[in-house]
Amino acid sequence: DIVMTQTPLSLPVTPGEPASISCRSSQSLLDSHDGSPHLDWYLQKTGQSPQLLIYRSSYRASGVPDRFSGSGSATDFTLKISRVEAEDVGVYYCLQRMAFPYTFGQGTKLEIK
Amino acid sequence: QVQLVESGGGVVQPGRSLRLSCAASGFIFSSYGMHWVRQAPGRGLEWVAFIWYDGTNKYYGDSVKGRFTISRDNSKDILYLHMNNLKAADTGVYYCARVSRQWLLTGWFDPWGQGTRVTVSS
Repeated sequence: DIVMTQTPLSLPVTPGEPASISCRSSQSLLDSHDGSPHLDWYLQKTGQSPQLLIYRSSYRASGVPDRFSGSGSATDFTLKISRVEAEDVGVYYCLQRMAFPYTFGQGTKLEIK
Repeated sequence: QVQLVESGGGVVQPGRSLRLSCAASGFIFSSYGMHWVRQAPGRGLEWVAFIWYDGTNKYYGDSVKGRFTISRDNSKDILYLHMNNLKAADTGVYYCARVSRQWLLTGWFDPWGQGTRVTVSS
């Protein structure tokens, strides 16, 4: 199984400051046909279902503010928030869709300082 | 609008069975692959199972393989998760999620349902 390792697990951030979450996979997540990464980011706010933030490593989902951005290579991926706002609080998860069984990272809990 | 509504959760004794449902609306259900994802209390997300849009192929997480069965009724727009020989470790909230685009065999999860809670306890 592909192991997804997220860091940090806890991320206290001052509003207006940037934040960065790393996700590392134990195998390449690049599609063999088109080279696109099978890596997505989800945010789960307290008491809510997860919601899609970023797909294919770097594409923002509809309605996601442009302060969110994603990047990455074959095994190393990063979610960045340029200026954290109070509404960004929650747990962020990366997900690999390269191979079954799909696997999530452990989650990064972002909180406001 | 696109909507997924899970139901069927509850309290069940270890070793017993339970069937979860996910009712879909607002889109052509038979064109989309569907997933089940679960979350144990205070824990992270765990992918459980996936079924192709036409039901011909199914995939399972290691911890549920041989005990859980994913299925769908495209005439009723309902996704199911049949859970047998339940264990305490199966306790959690179960979400259904749709593959993002029609006919894709892999795709990001969007949207998700609100979840249904399963508690396995004697």
